[in-house]
Amino acid sequence: AQKVTQAQTEISVVEKEDVTLDCVYETRDTTYYLFWYKQPPSGELVFLIRRNSFDEQNEISGRYSWNFQKSTSSFNFTITASQVVDSAVYFCALTDTGRRALTFGSGTRLQVQP
Amino acid sequence: DAEITQSPRHKITETGRQVTLACHQTWNHNNMFWYRQDLGHGLRLIHYSYGVQDTNKGEVSDGYSVSRSNTEDLPLTLESAASSQTSVYFCASSETLQETQYFGPGTRLLVL
Repeated sequence: AQKVTQAQTEISVVEKEDVTLDCVYETRDTTYYLFWYKQPPSGELVFLIRRNSFDEQNEISGRYSWNFQKSTSSFNFTITASQVVDSAVYFCALTDTGRRALTFGSGTRLQVQP
Repeated sequence: DAEITQSPRHKITETGRQVTLACHQTWNHNNMFWYRQDLGHGLRLIHYSYGVQDTNKGEVSDGYSVSRSNTEDLPLTLESAASSQTSVYFCASSETLQETQYFGPGTRLLVL
């Protein structure tokens, strides 16, 4: 069975600090896809990134970066120079080649204080 | 622009009533999914469909049903609403496994 663990329930930082959200996953599949979604206070789910299991290259998009390490089954998300608008719940998720549905972690609530 | 919509956005119902939540997407995606979001659990899969006439159960399917009569719609029915089904429900769709799932805005359901 698949599992995604986001051990950090809530993180609070001051604006301009860097913050890393941890994600650890379990799967028996060799082909799988990892995702991060953002859920702002308004409630919608916003797609941030998709990574397949064969691509371990780290990715940077503006202030956001992702570190994928198969050796530790981790897919961590870093926000550099955090802003108040980054305040949200962030979900890590995993899907496999079989079921095509997402298995979500329980989410990390990020509060960025001004 | 293509999109995915859910209706109603908010619903209050009574225990024992049948409730149907609508999900409509205009991307012509084959795959559609229903999830529920509860505090401390993230999102959990209720039902999913790979195409017309195809439906499958997820981890928390008890008390729910879906039907897929066309590509665009996957309505979720609560046969006899229970207080434990008070939750936020999200519908999602994707074209293929390799594609990202995009989510509707959610339906907040309260069962009294």
